[in-house]
Amino acid sequence: DSGVTQTPKHLITATGQRVTLRCSPRSGDLSVYWYQQSLDQGLQFLIQYYNGEERAKGNILERFSAQQFPDLHSELNLSSLELGDSALYFCASSALGGSSTDTQYFGPGTRLTVL
Amino acid sequence: AQSVAQPEDQVNVAEGNPLTVKCTYSVSGNPYLFWYVQYPNRGLQFLLKYITGDNLVKGSYGFEAEFNKSQTSFHLKKPSALVSDSALYFCAVRDIPRSSASKIIFGSGTRLSIRP
Repeated sequence: DSGVTQTPKHLITATGQRVTLRCSPRSGDLSVYWYQQSLDQGLQFLIQYYNGEERAKGNILERFSAQQFPDLHSELNLSSLELGDSALYFCASSALGGSSTDTQYFGPGTRLTVL
Repeated sequence: AQSVAQPEDQVNVAEGNPLTVKCTYSVSGNPYLFWYVQYPNRGLQFLLKYITGDNLVKGSYGFEAEFNKSQTSFHLKKPSALVSDSALYFCAVRDIPRSSASKIIFGSGTRLSIRP
């Protein structure tokens, strides 16, 4: 158990809908990262937050947004969902955010299925 | 731009034999390298990392990795494979940040299958 929790574990929804994925980092970690894992795209970095502020952006679509709250939990919002958004979404956390030596610890993931 | 490659989609090894999962990288500057393992229906688990120092890094579950700067490689190894090592393995690289917005890039993954 990494100490990172994600809810829900599974989510099934329809195209055009909006969903929110939630992540609680390990105790004391200030950074939260979101990744998307799909069969054809592999593991793609979406976005990072550090202590409430956006720190780095990856291949995140404009339909997607995220935030980190004062208690350091994070939410990833996916809107106008398309079939291609079906994937595993992982959250990871690390102690700091500006250090390359930081190890990221991953949550169990949320499996999103868009029908 | 930084990148990491795992040239083998799948590696098959008999239990008890040594295993190697290959990884090569391309970064500008000194690399920080990581290996993660993903078991079915689970998140990624950290195995080991190379930051600086000894080129042979020891990690969890008996795994080790050898950093080779001249060959820009960071291969994952284990002297004696177990059936329970069967999983998906990811190599990752993180460049030394020139800003606080440093990113980590993951390879495409290598599926390791250990047969009894």
